[in-house]
Amino acid sequence: GENVEQHPSTLSVQEGDSAVIKCTYSDSASNYFPWYKQELGKGPQLIIDIRSNVGEKKDQRIAVTLNKTAKHFSLHITETQPEDSAVYFCAASTGANSKLTFGKGITLSVRP
Amino acid sequence: ETGVTQTPRHLVMGMTNKKSLKCEQHLGHNAMYWYKQSAKKPLELMFVYSLEERVENNSVPSRFSPECPNSSHLFLHLHTLQPEDSALYLCASSLTPGQGFVSPLHFGNGTRLTVT
Repeated sequence: GENVEQHPSTLSVQEGDSAVIKCTYSDSASNYFPWYKQELGKGPQLIIDIRSNVGEKKDQRIAVTLNKTAKHFSLHITETQPEDSAVYFCAASTGANSKLTFGKGITLSVRP
Repeated sequence: ETGVTQTPRHLVMGMTNKKSLKCEQHLGHNAMYWYKQSAKKPLELMFVYSLEERVENNSVPSRFSPECPNSSHLFLHLHTLQPEDSALYLCASSLTPGQGFVSPLHFGNGTRLTVT
């Protein structure tokens, strides 16, 4: 089955700097890659997703890039703010039964 | 307001108790999911309902029993749980996917369950 890994497990950046979170996946048939943000006491919220027919997608300060050859995808956050501090999960799916395989999550801390 | 509402937010129960978790979605979706979230582990898919039919049961012990009476409501009935079942239980919903097409999941804020 699919295996999704996130690197690193924690990340600390200074406010205003950029943050990059990477994920690797194992199943070359995966074609959908969402990113979720989970704040303390809340459920995961979808922040951006990408499908395998594109290599990059951007939404304001957030972007996701996909490298199908290397089987990895990354979340880029520019001009980080303290409210970006949260746990970020990546996931991958082949589309079969809408099943998502999640990574373990990374804790991002933005220092004021 | 996430569009997916879970109650209760917190639940403490003994191993001999019977309790139920409730989920309601207001997004017009027709697929609903239960996930288990434990510390330092990926989200674990437990059950999937699509158009009110259970389409996936990921080898979940029978002490967890789901119920989906309609496309807006999902329950998780709990009985004779173990301390290791303590976790955050998340409900999610989505549109029913087409062939090979995944619809984004919308999560509720979860029920924090503690089994004593």
